Amino acid sequence: NAGVTQTPKFQVLKTGQSMTLQCAQDMNHEYMSWYRQDPGMGLRLIHYSVGAGITDQGEVPNGYNVSRSTTEDFPLRLLSAAPSQTSVYFCASSYGGRAVTQYFGPGTRLLVL
Amino acid sequence: AQTVTQSQPEMSVQEAETVTLSCTYDTSESDYYLFWYKQPPSRQMILVIRQEAYKQQNATENRFSVNFQKAAKSFSLKISDSQLGDAAMYFCAYSITGNQFYFGTGTSLTVIP
Repeated sequence: NAGVTQTPKFQVLKTGQSMTLQCAQDMNHEYMSWYRQDPGMGLRLIHYSVGAGITDQGEVPNGYNVSRSTTEDFPLRLLSAAPSQTSVYFCASSYGGRAVTQYFGPGTRLLVL
Repeated sequence: AQTVTQSQPEMSVQEAETVTLSCTYDTSESDYYLFWYKQPPSRQMILVIRQEAYKQQNATENRFSVNFQKAAKSFSLKISDSQLGDAAMYFCAYSITGNQFYFGTGTSLTVIP
């Protein structure tokens, strides 16, 4: 099993550009989430999904879109990047229900100039 | 809103000694889960230990154990026989449903040889 994979590992964007951060898992997990990690802030939930076709907002959803067309993939879209979106982004997945342990991807470091 | 507080931004411990990291949380729920995650310089989030709130017995995983005080809403992590590889950022996290996690701001642990 590859677990949770994320691409790219590092990306530089200019303000106003759009991009998609990719996340995939091969563990047949129902739940998938996106977090951002900023210095001194811990991890904050952006969006999450409890299954294919179902998504919902977390603590800091503004400026981000998600979709979940398959169980395996959960891409995060930045429609118009802003310097405030400079951060490290983590994708995570879990089986859901009572088995709540999340497995994290290696992270994507994003720099918006 | 759910909040998780880690009041110790930095801690240090001598190799082979014991250290305790503090975490408090705020919730009105009676059934929930608590976690400690380790984040080494590689940025990978690694689950250290988890505790179900309905279990009175404190969780243990080898050199890692927790002191779970439900009434006080406290969840501290004890690391015994500290090793150089334990140096990392440690995050306390809380979840009710398994699809929304709330993280503390982290404690940076230094292990002194």
